[in-house]
Amino acid sequence: KQEVTQIPAALSVPEGENLVLNCSFTDSAIYNLQWFRQDPGKGLTSLLLIQSSQREQTSGRLNASLDKSSGRSTLYIAASQPGDSATYLCALEIGGFQKLVFGTGTRLLVSP
Amino acid sequence: GAGVSQSPSNKVTEKGKDVELRCDPISGHTALYWYRQSLGQGLEFLIYFQGNSAPDKSGLPSDRFSAERTGGSVSTLTIQRTQQEDSAVYLCASSLGLGVSEKLFFGSGTQLSVL
Repeated sequence: KQEVTQIPAALSVPEGENLVLNCSFTDSAIYNLQWFRQDPGKGLTSLLLIQSSQREQTSGRLNASLDKSSGRSTLYIAASQPGDSATYLCALEIGGFQKLVFGTGTRLLVSP
Repeated sequence: GAGVSQSPSNKVTEKGKDVELRCDPISGHTALYWYRQSLGQGLEFLIYFQGNSAPDKSGLPSDRFSAERTGGSVSTLTIQRTQQEDSAVYLCASSLGLGVSEKLFFGSGTQLSVL
């Protein structure tokens, strides 16, 4: 069974810091890996999607990398802002057609 | 519509009652998914609909759970004889459904509380 772990579980940083969120998984047989953010009381917003054949994806201040062989992905957030405060979830597509296995999440707080 | 719409946003029910949760996917999206988010289990896949194909029900936790999708659009998730462990946020998502590795668009969820 695929296990997906995110470290740290919670993170508090001052505005402007660069930070890294980690996601590790036990089975490298994946179709893709996605990073989502979830704001309180709201659904999930897809941030980045990395295909299994890719190594990284970038969108604005966000960069996500994927190393299947080691079972790891990282989400790098540059120059963090208070608006980045949310819970960040990684998710693996394992069975095709969006049967996602989600990680445990990292709750991020960026203070002004 | 502009996004995935779910109703109600909150539902409080008594143990043993049946509940229905509704999801309106983004117009034109052929794939629809239900996920459940609970404190102890995180986010779990429940069921997946793709066009006119038979749904993938492999994530439904028991036979008290069922879902249907009418006309390839609106979906209803029904939980019969609710139990306290059913308390969770039920999230619906949709995608274009053209294949693997597509972005999912999630609704805001229904917070279900079983007393």
